[in-house]
Amino acid sequence: QLQLQESGPGLVKPSETLSLTCTVSGGSISSSNYYWGWIRQPPGKGLEWIGNIYYSGSTYYDPSLESRVTISLDTSKNQFSLKLSSVTAADTAVYYCARETSSGWYYFDYWGQGTLVTVSS
Amino acid sequence: SSELTQDPAVSVALGQTVRITCQGDSLRSYYASWYQQKPGQAPVLVIYDKNSRPSGIPDRFSGSSSGNTASLTITGAQAEDEADYYCNSRDSTFNLVLFGGGTTLTVL
Repeated sequence: QLQLQESGPGLVKPSETLSLTCTVSGGSISSSNYYWGWIRQPPGKGLEWIGNIYYSGSTYYDPSLESRVTISLDTSKNQFSLKLSSVTAADTAVYYCARETSSGWYYFDYWGQGTLVTVSS
Repeated sequence: SSELTQDPAVSVALGQTVRITCQGDSLRSYYASWYQQKPGQAPVLVIYDKNSRPSGIPDRFSGSSSGNTASLTITGAQAEDEADYYCNSRDSTFNLVLFGGGTTLTVL
């Protein structure tokens, strides 16, 4: 059974960089036909896609965040990471990592439990 | 446009059938997937590939699609189905991921 687990600081100061890691167990992030994604959910609001990274390393970002986001893979540790720079209070959210399967169609079939990141001084 | 639109809230009487819809131009090219999210929990995939259910999802959940509209139908809604539901698809032009704004389902 595939499992994903987010880790990282729960509190980040304004203007600094938010850094989170997703550790994948029960499967390899180097397997073909899978994207690895970050999705966030501000308190009381809906899901917001941040970006994906393909097993090959190709990245795709939401245009509204693209200038501040970097997603990377670490195949040696079976992890992928998110960096979001110049954060503000608007970036306060629960951050989820998830696997998106590409089998002709696309869907997020495995999710981490989520981690709350608060941006505050 | 690259958006998916859902009704913010829907209610259904216990045991009755409810349909939750999702509209967007991308749905003419990609099937929607659907997620259930209960308070304090991560989203759970309930429908993918238009009308496939992951293991463990009850068969009262079904999906359909026509034109630019995808639908999630719950036939015989149960109290435990009360949750937020999100649709998800891909933008056909820019290879981006889209989520609908979510629908809160209340079971009366």
